[in-house]
Amino acid sequence: QKEVEQNSGPLSVPEGAIASLNCTYSDRGSQSFFWYRQYSGKSPELIMFIYSNGDKEDGRFTAQLNKASQYVSLLIRDSQPSDSATYLCAVNRGQGAQKLVFGQGTRLTINP
Amino acid sequence: DTEVTQTPKHLVMGMTNKKSLKCEQHMGHRAMYWYKQKAKKPPELMFVYSYEKLSINESVPSRFSPECPNSSLLNLHLHALQPEDSALYLCASSQDSPTSGNTIYFGEGSWLTVV
Repeated sequence: QKEVEQNSGPLSVPEGAIASLNCTYSDRGSQSFFWYRQYSGKSPELIMFIYSNGDKEDGRFTAQLNKASQYVSLLIRDSQPSDSATYLCAVNRGQGAQKLVFGQGTRLTINP
Repeated sequence: DTEVTQTPKHLVMGMTNKKSLKCEQHMGHRAMYWYKQKAKKPPELMFVYSYEKLSINESVPSRFSPECPNSSLLNLHLHALQPEDSALYLCASSQDSPTSGNTIYFGEGSWLTVV
């Protein structure tokens, strides 16, 4: 079992709809979780981070964490073509200096 | 715009060359990182520096040699690389407070091609 698992996609969503990206992790002791967006040929860009169970909203983005189910998700409301990218889920395995473990990434395409 | 600056953006080197990748941040972060990313793969951690000391080496071959001259600078010295080392090399930084929630910020990366 991989430490962090994501569906690789591609996930295709019509413009204006909600895109739902999912991630599971195996280490029950993990405490902090990150979503990065990566456009083709660019470096990862932080979208959201979440530490506590429940939902965290930032603009059109909502991160959801369920530690009992070891599940993290990212919802993108009112999807725009500019949201088309690969979304990387990352779980931190360390304290202090971080030891991020990434999932394989989900490629998201928003269709106009 | 990222506040982690990497140079050069592109590097082509032969297998017998010696070159260096450079990274600079001015966010006051005390943890700095090197990641390697191959095409269509996620970033993989190579090295972590905490307060200018190497704290994590993920069993990286010795042809990659990291250096942290001060709290703002991080170098990756390259020598006798192989074509399979061609990848995007990402520098990153974060706070190093004793929590699990220090956010990592990535630079734009250096594209390395070994010929």
